[in-house]
Amino acid sequence: ETGVTQSPTHLIKTRGQQVTLRCSSQSGHNTVSWYQQALGQGPQFIFQYYREEENGRGNFPPRFSGLQFPNYSSELNVNALELDDSALYLCASSTRLVPYEQYFGPGTRLTVT
Amino acid sequence: KQEVTQIPAALSVPEGENLVLNCSFTDSAIYNLQWFRQDPGKGLTSLLLIQSSQREQTSGRLNASLDKSSGRSTLYIAASQPGDSATYLCAVSPYAGNMLTFGGGTRLMVKP
Repeated sequence: ETGVTQSPTHLIKTRGQQVTLRCSSQSGHNTVSWYQQALGQGPQFIFQYYREEENGRGNFPPRFSGLQFPNYSSELNVNALELDDSALYLCASSTRLVPYEQYFGPGTRLTVT
Repeated sequence: KQEVTQIPAALSVPEGENLVLNCSFTDSAIYNLQWFRQDPGKGLTSLLLIQSSQREQTSGRLNASLDKSSGRSTLYIAASQPGDSATYLCAVSPYAGNMLTFGGGTRLMVKP
């Protein structure tokens, strides 16, 4: 069974640019959630996708957007990058079955200069 | 708005000690609570999940308890080892399948 994978591992972008991060969910998992973790803090929920539709969103501006594909993999897109977007971006997958445990990938480290 | 607090923020203990990490949350209407481990710069590893109807869960040297009415959970680590050094995060979910709200974590160092 393959776990959650994310790509790329590290990324350096310039302020104002756009970035796309990718996530492949664990086999059999149909729900993907994205989190942003700033240095020294706990992760913060960005949004969740289920059946290719956004299924909940945290307190993030519209320049954070996402997609989920028929194979349940997902993308996180961030437009007009700001310095404060520098963080570890974590993807988590789960099923819609009790107990709804979320399994996390290794993360993508984004640095905005 | 749910808020999750973890105390202490950092902890250093000698190898072999039993220790307790604390997690508190402001809204007791949770569906489940998860404890995670995070090594520096890495993703999260799920340690234990407690559903709202449960009082505790155990895995090896780890035991997590949940007191939903008082908004508290504890993670007990028995006979700590240097390999236990990591940041431990707790997170709660308001209802089935929904977003997790995380605490700030407890950074644990176990000295040989």
